[in-house]
Amino acid sequence: QKEVEQDPGPLSVPEGAIVSLNCTYSNSAFQYFMWYRQYSRKGPELLMYTYSSGNKEDGRFTAQVDKSSKYISLFIRDSQPSDSATYLCAMSDYRDDKIIFGKGTRLHILP
Amino acid sequence: NAGVTQTPKFQVLKTGQSMTLQCAQDMNHEYMSWYRQDPGMGLRLIHYSVGAGITDQGEVPNGYNVSRSTTEDFPLRLLSAAPSQTSVYFCASSYSRQGNNSPLHFGNGTRLTVT
Repeated sequence: QKEVEQDPGPLSVPEGAIVSLNCTYSNSAFQYFMWYRQYSRKGPELLMYTYSSGNKEDGRFTAQVDKSSKYISLFIRDSQPSDSATYLCAMSDYRDDKIIFGKGTRLHILP
Repeated sequence: NAGVTQTPKFQVLKTGQSMTLQCAQDMNHEYMSWYRQDPGMGLRLIHYSVGAGITDQGEVPNGYNVSRSTTEDFPLRLLSAAPSQTSVYFCASSYSRQGNNSPLHFGNGTRLTVT
């Protein structure tokens, strides 16, 4: 079992819909959880950064971490065509200097 | 402020050739790393460095060497290119070691084809 699992999609939703993106993980020592957005032919850019369990909100984006279930989510409200990109979850263990990424989910927002 | 700069943007190599992918950052970041990104495989860590003079292996280090003689630069060397090394390579840096609310900043990648 890979340390981080993420459905690669593609996921297509109409403009204005709520998008839910998810990752599961197996390493219970992970404490730092991140979501990156990657546009075509560009490097990933950080969207959200969360420590331990709980929710974090930033504009239209909400990140949730459930450590008991080893499950993290990213919600996008009022989705826009400009949100079309690949979304990668990532996580790290405070004892380790490695960040492990999921495979990424390709998201298409249909106008 | 250029951020993380990778050169070249594109490269084609023949099997057995060697080359160096360059990465430079101007943010005085302590931590730097190299990832490769392949379809269906996501980002996989090759090597990383927590400071000048210190490097360590990631998930897929075989066939690659790194060194960190300065804070700014972290080159990745392919010793003898193989078709399996065809990929997009990303360099990333962050202010400090992981676990300190220190997100990664990525370059825009080097697209490498090995024939």
